Amino acid sequence: DVKVTQSSRYLVKRTGEKVFLECVQDMDHENMFWYRQDPGLGLRLIYFSYDVKMKEKGDIPEGYSVSREKKERFSLILESASTNQTSMYLCASSSPPDRGAFFGQGTRLTVV
Amino acid sequence: SQQGEEDPQALSIQEGENATMNCSYKTSINNLQWYRQNSGRGLVHLILIRSNEREKHSGRLRVTLDTSKKSSSLLITASRAADTASYFCATAGQAGTALIFGKGTTLSVSS
Repeated sequence: DVKVTQSSRYLVKRTGEKVFLECVQDMDHENMFWYRQDPGLGLRLIYFSYDVKMKEKGDIPEGYSVSREKKERFSLILESASTNQTSMYLCASSSPPDRGAFFGQGTRLTVV
Repeated sequence: SQQGEEDPQALSIQEGENATMNCSYKTSINNLQWYRQNSGRGLVHLILIRSNEREKHSGRLRVTLDTSKKSSSLLITASRAADTASYFCATAGQAGTALIFGKGTTLSVSS
């Protein structure tokens, strides 16, 4: 059974902390994505990666960075967490060109 | 900016009725995909239609694509209470480009 696994289901962090969200896929997919989901705003793309060590900014990269040192792992880093980064974070992976994406279960992050 | 915009934002129907959701997008695409999300969970891929296809079926799902109007529709026939979820369209460009989602349609099916 194919899987995208996010390291935490729920996370509570303090303002100013550096936060790491980890995502691992076991399907040898080239593409990996990080989205955040907020009520009424749908899924907004933060960063994506189409190969190891490659990364591209999405629509809302400010305050975030990513790391992809290995093909199966894509990490999202909140450099200094702020309350407006409280959200549901979703990781996904896919393999081009004509395949759907697989999603992790999501991490609900609360910054206090 | 978000590529896909779903319409309507919310839809309430009775079991057995058909549900139709629409998606419009802005730029050229390689394919368009539809996903379902049950409350508080990750998204599940439902169906993908390529830019050179006009219609596709999968079980009770029917997807159409009109590239001249930059729009797609998802039809769920004979809806069930278990179909209650949010539905999102997503567009994909060429390899190495992002998968961009819309804001979604919330479907509620009552028995």
